[in-house]
Formats: sequence, structure tokens, C-alpha cells
Amino acid sequence: NAGVTQTPKFQVLKTGQSMTLQCAQDMNHNSMYWYRQDPGMGLRLIYYSASEGTTDKGEVPNGYNVSRLNKREFSLRLESAAPSQTSVYFCASSRQGVQPRTEAFFGQGTRLTVV
Amino acid sequence: QQQVKQSPQSLIVQKGGIPIINCAYENTAFDYFPWYQQFPGKGPALLIAIRPDVSEKKEGRFTISFNKSAKQFSLHIMDSQPGDSATYFCAATTSGTYKYIFGTGTRLKVLA
Repeated sequence: NAGVTQTPKFQVLKTGQSMTLQCAQDMNHNSMYWYRQDPGMGLRLIYYSASEGTTDKGEVPNGYNVSRLNKREFSLRLESAAPSQTSVYFCASSRQGVQPRTEAFFGQGTRLTVV
Repeated sequence: QQQVKQSPQSLIVQKGGIPIINCAYENTAFDYFPWYQQFPGKGPALLIAIRPDVSEKKEGRFTISFNKSAKQFSLHIMDSQPGDSATYFCAATTSGTYKYIFGTGTRLKVLA
């Protein structure tokens, strides 16, 4: 069971460059999420997708875009990277909305540095 | 109203001690309160969760205490071990919203 797979694991970008973080889950979950984790800030929700074909903004969506490509895949794009986007990014999925509620499963994270 | 406040930020205990991590919330619509454990270089993983209709839940050495009137919940780790050294996050969510709100995390170190 792979669970939630994120690629890449590490990335260094120059300011202004763009990139896409990939996420795929094999648990047939309908909901997927992108979080960023910064020291002292905990996990903050960037975007989420309640189900295939829908996406919504979380707490900190500015500077990011997302695509729910299909039920399995949810990508996060940085169009013009800024140093403030240096963070560890986590993708998660859950069977939210289907009773009984289940936990959110997280990927291993992508450590992104913008210089 | 969407915040979940977690304390302390860090905690050091001796092996066998009982670390306690506290969380408080404002939004009374929250109806599911999980705790996640994160080891360095890994993603968070569910440890234990509780719903507001019970005041306590135990799973192994981990216990959640829930005080609905005070809008507070806490994690207790009995007979803590060095292997419990990790960052712990509390969280809250509401049925149908699809959004988990996380606390800021507590870095726990258990000394051998």
C-alpha cells in the first residue's frame, strides 16, 4: 500500500521560477488537501478538493493554484516562486463526506527552498 | 473562530513521565478532534481521535481528555518512552466541511 505519494521530495527554486508538486493517492479517497508546514505555525491549509472536479481555497491560497486531475491526483502549482514560499508541503487525502468519517492520510512531504 | 490553540510549544520529560499537551477551540461546530504524531522527515499520522459526545478515550498509552463546556481537549501519554519523541498536532473539523484545522504543534522529547 503506497498510500499518499508526493513528488519531488526536495526542490530548490530560484525566485520567479515555477513548478508543480505532484500528489497521488491509491486509497480511493474522495477528498484531497495541500498543507504547508512552517516552524511555529503548524499545518496550514492551502487548497482542498472535496471531490473530483471541485477545488476550494484554504487559509493561505495566495501564490498557489491547484488541479484535481482525477480522483487519484491533486497537484499544486507555484506560478512565480517567492522566498516566503520556502516550506515543507504536505498532501493529504481522506474519505471525508462518507460515513463513518475517517482520518486524513499524509504523504511524506516536499521540502521546497526558494532562493 | 476557526483557530485551534495548542500548548506548550515544546516539552521535555523523563522516561516514564506523563507529558500532557493541551488544545482549545472556539468553534462549537467542530465535531471531530484527532491527534496526529509526526516524526522528523515524515508526514503526520493519526494517533487517536475523539468526538465531543465522550469525555475520554484511551488507546494503549495514549489518552484524550475532552471538556466540551470548556472547549478544551488534551493528550496524555502514559509511561512515555524515548520512541514517543515526536511533534504532536491536535486538530478539529466539522462534518461536511472537509477542512481540518490544526494546532501549531508540540515538540516532545522523552529523555532515556
